[in-house]
Amino acid sequence: NAGVTQTPKFRVLKTGQSMTLLCAQDMNHEYMYWYRQDPGMGLRLIHYSVGEGTTAKGEVPDGYNVSRLKKQNFLLGLESAAPSQTSVYFCASSRQGPEETQYFGPGTRLLVL
Amino acid sequence: GQNIDQPTEMTATEGAIVQINCTYQTSGFNGLFWYQQHAGEAPTFLSYNVLDGLEEKGRFSSFLSRSKGYSYLLLKELQMKDSASYLCAVLDSNYQLIWGAGTKLIIKP
Repeated sequence: NAGVTQTPKFRVLKTGQSMTLLCAQDMNHEYMYWYRQDPGMGLRLIHYSVGEGTTAKGEVPDGYNVSRLKKQNFLLGLESAAPSQTSVYFCASSRQGPEETQYFGPGTRLLVL
Repeated sequence: GQNIDQPTEMTATEGAIVQINCTYQTSGFNGLFWYQQHAGEAPTFLSYNVLDGLEEKGRFSSFLSRSKGYSYLLLKELQMKDSASYLCAVLDSNYQLIWGAGTKLIIKP
């Protein structure tokens, strides 16, 4: 039982490059979330999903896209990376809605030059 | 706007007690979470309060006053491993989770 896993752990991109961050959970959770964490700020929700095949925008969705083709996977895409997207990205899942405990992955550190 | 306030940093001594406060101003309230985050790691769940009062879990307790928009996390018998950031998060009326910036707790021997 691995919980929530994320790949990659660390990535350096040049401005304008694209990449996909992968999140996987083996707890059969319905809800999945993508957050970014920046120094001096709280976690900010980028996108979330309430179940397989669904996605919704969070607080800071611009510049990101997501897909949830399988219940266990939630992908975050950056189409054209910008330095402002340098951050630590966390994926999380919860059994049902956000009123339940969220289980976080180990994070992906992204540096955009 | 919605706002969660926590002290940026606190220092305490091993074996002592520390109280980390969280005040919030949100559109509605459906519960308050505390998470622990060690440096370079993922946040992990500590507690959830939806009703007023104190919830105790071993060395950690969490208190909520909805009328005052206030919560605190109380850590007793501090250990070096308690050095971490403590994140307060409030679930608003739209079931959106609003996160505070976190309080970095430094434990000294």
